[in-house]
Parts: sequence; structure tokens; C-alpha cells
Amino acid sequence: AQSVTQLGSHVSVSEGALVLLRCNYSSSVPPYLFWYVQYPNQGLQLLLKYTSAATLVKGINGFEAEFKKSETSFHLTKPSAHMSDAAEYFCAVSDGGGDKIIFGKGTRLHILP
Amino acid sequence: GAVVSQHPSWVICKSGTSVKIECRSLDFQATTMFWYRQFPKQSLMLMATSNEGSKATYEQGVEKDKFLINHASLTLSTLTVTSAHPEDSSFYICSARSYGYTFGSGTRLTVV
Repeated sequence: AQSVTQLGSHVSVSEGALVLLRCNYSSSVPPYLFWYVQYPNQGLQLLLKYTSAATLVKGINGFEAEFKKSETSFHLTKPSAHMSDAAEYFCAVSDGGGDKIIFGKGTRLHILP
Repeated sequence: GAVVSQHPSWVICKSGTSVKIECRSLDFQATTMFWYRQFPKQSLMLMATSNEGSKATYEQGVEKDKFLINHASLTLSTLTVTSAHPEDSSFYICSARSYGYTFGSGTRLTVV
């Protein structure tokens, strides 16, 4: 079965500092990996996805993530945090065959002024 | 880009009544739609997977007689919460799959 583990339910960074949200996955087949952002009482917005092409994936709003098979990781980063980045972030995995997406428990990102 | 419209965005209903939530893919055909439930400050839990024209596949622990899912066309799936109770209060989100996964904006259901 596939799963993702997000380390840290809450992460706080200062405005302008590096954002690092951690995600480790478990999958018996080459995975598709996703990062989504959710603002309060809203749906999910796709930040980026890995689908077995380039291991460094660039997404929207300056976010990027690197797929590291040896570490089974897919951490999300952004060089400089902005106040508008404060939200809930979910890492997710699917088997790439059009199957369901399984979500991690989420990480709440707080931006300190 | 692909857009999924989910309605209503919020609904309040009395205990014992039924509520229907619609999920429409506006500019693409979705052969598969997924329904998720999200409790406050928690992750999204997959409830069921529906394929157009066939019965939905429910995840373990989800009552199929309580959460009725219909996927009658390639652009519309509905989730009906039957005989709703306060514990059914939650945020429900649909997702439609074509070349990727597109999520609706969610429905906040409050049962009083």
C-alpha cells in the first residue's frame, strides 16, 4: 500500500527565510507524487507534481521539490517565504495508473513577520 | 485549465434529512471521480471512487448506504448524505481525474 508521511504538523518560518516542508513516501511501484496547498475553507490547489520525469520539479508560486529515490523523499522548498504562503500543505502519492491519491496528514505553515 | 465546480459550498441541514452535493467537471470529461472527507485540521480521507456508469467503490469503513454516490455522466458526480446526523458534519471535497487530478472547492456540511 502507498503512503506518505509528513514530518511536522506545524512549521514556522520568518518572512524571507527558506521554507522546507518534509515528505517521505512508501510505494511498491514507481510513484507519482504531489504537493497541494489548502487555504481555510477552500479546496486544494496543486503546487507541483512528480511523474517520473525530471527529479527536480518546479511548481507555482516559487515552490519546488526534489524526488530522491534513495531517501524516499519529496521535500518541498521555497527560497524566500512570503506572508501569503501561510496555509496547509499536503503531500500526496498515487501509483500513476489513474488510481486514487493518498494524502499525508498535512503541515500547517506559519509565516512570522 | 481543468475546472471542477462543487456545489453547494456550504449547507446546514437538520438531523435526519438528506443532503446532495454535486461535483461537475466544466471543461473536460472525467471518467473517474473521487470523494474525500476532511475533519477540522485533519487530512483528506478518501471515501469512495466512482467511475461513470458503474457502482462506486467505497473505502473500508465508509457506509455505502449512508453516502450514496452517483456518477451518471462523464461530467457529473453526486454525493448524497442520507439521514444526516451531527457526526456527519464535515468538509467534503470531490476530485475529478482526466490527465491529472482536479479538486473542487469543497462543501462544508453542518448537521444540526
